[in-house]
Amino acid sequence: EDQVTQSPEALRLQEGESSSLNCSYTVSGLRGLFWYRQDPGKGPEFLFTLYSAGEEKEKERLKATLTKKESFLHITAPKPEDSATYLCAADPNYGGATNKLIFGTGTLLAVQP
Amino acid sequence: NAGVMQNPRHLVRRRGQEARLRCSPMKGHSHVYWYRQLPEEGLKFMVYLQKENIIDESGMPKERFSAEFPKEGPSILRIQQVVRGDSAAYFCASSPQGTYNSPLHFGNGTRLTVT
Repeated sequence: EDQVTQSPEALRLQEGESSSLNCSYTVSGLRGLFWYRQDPGKGPEFLFTLYSAGEEKEKERLKATLTKKESFLHITAPKPEDSATYLCAADPNYGGATNKLIFGTGTLLAVQP
Repeated sequence: NAGVMQNPRHLVRRRGQEARLRCSPMKGHSHVYWYRQLPEEGLKFMVYLQKENIIDESGMPKERFSAEFPKEGPSILRIQQVVRGDSAAYFCASSPQGTYNSPLHFGNGTRLTVT
């Protein structure tokens, strides 16, 4: 069964304390691995797409990496405004319609000043 | 530059009533997706539509749920005879192309509460 598992469920960091979030996936042929940020009461906001093992993408304090079984979201010197739930999603290749994403349950990140 | 617009933001229905959720995609986007987020669960795919066509509804419950995206106007997700288990956040997303390299842009959701 296709699934996406994120860990930890929750993470509390001090401002400036770097860390990584993990996303493990088991899907039938990966078309793309997505990272989203979700603030309370809002919809997911797109961050990155990764397509193949070894690929990396960066945006400000965030860097996403991909292996054949996992993806990591590295947060360097986080600030309180980085506090949010970070969602990972896989787009499996079923041979039909795309963007039928399988989401993990997210990592709730709290960055304290 | 308006994003994906969903309304209402909050909807309260009694058991047995109908719920209608609306979604206007981003300008220039013709592909619409509906996802549901149950409490303590991840987002789950429900249905994928283009104008006047349902492309994939494999995630929709077989009964009481329907979706449309007419030639004019917003996409509608309709839930008939709601039950308490339908209480969830319903998110609409759009993309300019229905391809894997065209990421989804989500609205802020409709939170449905069934009493």
